[in-house]
Amino acid sequence: DQQVKQNSPSLSVQEGRISILNCDYTNSMFDYFLWYKKYPAEGPTFLISISSIKDKNEDGRFTVFLNKSAKHLSLHIVPSQPGDSAVYFCAASVRNAGNMLTFGGGTRLMVKP
Amino acid sequence: ETGVTQTPRHLVMGMTNKKSLKCEQHLGHNAMYWYKQSAKKPLELMFVYSLEERVENNSVPSRFSPECPNSSHLFLHLHTLQPEDSALYLCASSQTGTSRSIDTQYFGPGTRLTVL
Repeated sequence: DQQVKQNSPSLSVQEGRISILNCDYTNSMFDYFLWYKKYPAEGPTFLISISSIKDKNEDGRFTVFLNKSAKHLSLHIVPSQPGDSAVYFCAASVRNAGNMLTFGGGTRLMVKP
Repeated sequence: ETGVTQTPRHLVMGMTNKKSLKCEQHLGHNAMYWYKQSAKKPLELMFVYSLEERVENNSVPSRFSPECPNSSHLFLHLHTLQPEDSALYLCASSQTGTSRSIDTQYFGPGTRLTVL
């Protein structure tokens, strides 16, 4: 049973518009969430994180929103750029349980010029 | 070298071979991880070492044998693998502690393994 799910395997967005990537989780013990970006032939690169005590964290063009009651988080990229085209993974962990990350299956984002 | 490096980047091996994957982190971290990414599946955590001691083994078959000689190096020894073990093997490191901001895991580029 997957505890972290990304239900959209792919997303296509026009350059300059907003990209919204979604992630759902089932384990209510998760208290730390991360987004990673992965280009082909490279390892995942950390993008942004949020702890369960917050509902929003912003870093430049990237904002992560957390809705604990819905067990849902999303990543907003504004404005989207062609270089943002990659696979995006969300991950979750329980802070006092050894920092084990549980990953979603990923969403492939394509930003068209 | 900076960050997390992995060698080799690609490996093709037969089912009777013995090979090893190497990971090195240059970030001063105290925890290292092995992940497996199979086609169309999420990243799966295989092993975790914290302060050079194994703290997690997610029911990984014994044909995979990890080794962590020090906090900067991590190996994954492979023997008698099966074709279904073909995947991307990723190494990561982190600095475990009490602050939320330092638990982020940083990944290497991975080793693409093909078992014939």
